[in-house]
Amino acid sequence: GESVGLHLPTLSVQEGDNSIINCAYSNSASDYFIWYKQESGKGPQFIIDIRSNMDKRQGQRVTVLLNKTVKHLSLQIAATQPGDSAVYFCAAALGGGSYIPTFGRGTSLIVHP
Amino acid sequence: GAVVSQHPSWVICKSGTSVKIECRSLDFQATTMFWYRQFPKQSLMLMATSNEGSKATYEQGVEKDKFLINHASLTLSTLTVTSAHPEDSSFYICSALSGRGSADTQYFGPGTRLTVL
Repeated sequence: GESVGLHLPTLSVQEGDNSIINCAYSNSASDYFIWYKQESGKGPQFIIDIRSNMDKRQGQRVTVLLNKTVKHLSLQIAATQPGDSAVYFCAAALGGGSYIPTFGRGTSLIVHP
Repeated sequence: GAVVSQHPSWVICKSGTSVKIECRSLDFQATTMFWYRQFPKQSLMLMATSNEGSKATYEQGVEKDKFLINHASLTLSTLTVTSAHPEDSSFYICSALSGRGSADTQYFGPGTRLTVL
């Protein structure tokens, strides 16, 4: 099976700072990784994904880094804004045509103005 | 982007009644949908995988007779909580897969808050 954990339950940053949220996964066969943002009372929102054949992928203000050697991925948010305050989940999924992701515990990002 | 809706967004019911939650993919067809349950300040717990035209696959520990899932079309899956009790109170979230095979992306609905009195 897969277990996915996050290193810190809460991350507090100042507006304008860069944020880094970390995630570890256990199954080396996982080949698809996703970051989601969940605001209070809402469903998770897709942020960015990365496949195991890549080690870095960039989006708008976000970058995901994947280190398959140590089974670790991170989400970097540049110039963090108050609207980024939410719980962030990473998810890992196995390949082979059977897509069932396992979600980590979540990190609550608090952005102070 | 792909949009998934859920209805209702919240529901309050009496103990012993059944509640149906709908999950729809609005602008894409989804052969696979997932149902999750989330308790406060916790992660998403996968309850079952719903495939169009076939029986749902339930995760270990999830009672299939308690949580009935029907994926009648490529855009609609329903979760019925039968004979609901206060311990069934939770935030239920569905998601739908858009794409094929390894290119799938999972899009989530806004969730349904169920409160059983």
